[in-house]
Amino acid sequence: GAVVSQHPSRVICKSGTSVKIECRSLDFQATTMFWYRQFPKQSLMLMATSNEGSKATYEQGVEKDKFLINHASLTLSTLTVTSAHPEDSSFYICSAGPLAGDTSTDTQYFGPGTRLTVL
Amino acid sequence: DQQVKQNSPSLSVQEGRISILNCDYTNSMFDYFLWYKKYPAEGPTFLISISSIKDKNEDGRFTVFLNKSAKHLSLHIVPSQPGDSAVYFCAASAHSGGSNYKLTFGKGTLLTVNP
Repeated sequence: GAVVSQHPSRVICKSGTSVKIECRSLDFQATTMFWYRQFPKQSLMLMATSNEGSKATYEQGVEKDKFLINHASLTLSTLTVTSAHPEDSSFYICSAGPLAGDTSTDTQYFGPGTRLTVL
Repeated sequence: DQQVKQNSPSLSVQEGRISILNCDYTNSMFDYFLWYKKYPAEGPTFLISISSIKDKNEDGRFTVFLNKSAKHLSLHIVPSQPGDSAVYFCAASAHSGGSNYKLTFGKGTLLTVNP
């Protein structure tokens, strides 16, 4: 249980194009979805927190116009990297949690990640 | 300012022995703690968690100990297996403080279990 999928798993794009990454919770509904970024040998850096039907809350230093987040339902969130540049190349990971209706924990369940390479 | 610290970047253990991974935190508002395991190019996998009302939680080979006065927690894996080799992240949240479920992660410890 508590499976989160991400699509695509890997994407290569040209500089200046936009890339959309989907995050789905497959067998549960989540209160909140999160988007992280991980650089090589670094920790997970939270980019933004989103709740269904409302605007995402971005962490300090994350450009909301560059990283567009849409949270259409309790099981789907999308991250669009707009006008991507080589410095946006990274491993992007989404998570969902806690399970809707369960406020006793803060457990997040993570997707497998998306490797973005911008040429 | 790093609020969750994993001071050992790596740990090497022999198969069958105990692995002890340590984590320290500075934010006294943190009251919920989790351990995640991560393989390269994959998302983290949830292992075990503990609320600050407890000082120990056990699940199979994994046990997490929490020392609130020292702001320290540890993950024990017994017995260690080669498949346990991965990066382990400690995470914390201010659950009771209305943190909107946000987690703060440490930098991770690479565990290598040698056959």
